[in-house]
Amino acid sequence: AQSVSQHNHHVILSEAASLELGCNYSYGGTVNLFWYVQYPGQHLQLLLKYFSGDPLVKGIKGFEAEFIKSKFSFNLRKPSVQWSDTAEYFCAVNALDSSYKLIFGSGTRLLVRP
Amino acid sequence: NAGVMQNPRHLVRRRGQEARLRCSPVKGHSHVYWYRQLPEEGLKFMVYLQKENIIDESGMPKERFSAEFPKEGPSILRIQQVVRGDSAAYFCASSERTGAGANVLTFGAGSRLTVL
Repeated sequence: AQSVSQHNHHVILSEAASLELGCNYSYGGTVNLFWYVQYPGQHLQLLLKYFSGDPLVKGIKGFEAEFIKSKFSFNLRKPSVQWSDTAEYFCAVNALDSSYKLIFGSGTRLLVRP
Repeated sequence: NAGVMQNPRHLVRRRGQEARLRCSPVKGHSHVYWYRQLPEEGLKFMVYLQKENIIDESGMPKERFSAEFPKEGPSILRIQQVVRGDSAAYFCASSERTGAGANVLTFGAGSRLTVL
């Protein structure tokens, strides 16, 4: 069965620190990969997605993620976080042979201290 | 330019009562998905519907839970005889189409069900 692992459940950073959130998935076939963000009290928003092509994907608000196929990973990065990045971040995978079903990781709660 | 609208945002029920959660997809989207998020867990797929059809309900409990997406009106997730374990956030998402490489979901803000 497909699964998605997010290793860090809670991350606390100071403003201007660099961020990297890990995401690994288990599935041997072709996948689409996503990072969603949920700000307090709001709906999930798409940060970025990977379908094909350049494995380094740039998203909104200065976020980027790199797909490393050999490691089954899709880590999220941001060089300098802001207080407004405080949110919960979800990695999700969509296997192409089950194209409508997103499998989510358990999420990472990021707290950025001013 | 409304996104996915869910209501109610918060719902409190006593054990044994019924809960009805509504979801209006993005205008023009004909695919609706329901996900459940239990505390400290990620979102789990429950059901995928197109207009008037349930395409995949493999993630939905066999008893007490049902979903519909009628020709007119919002999609409804119905939970009968709620129990404390049903307390969760229920998220609805919609997409314009489905298929390989095409499935970007737009999510609603969720409905938080609390069962006393």
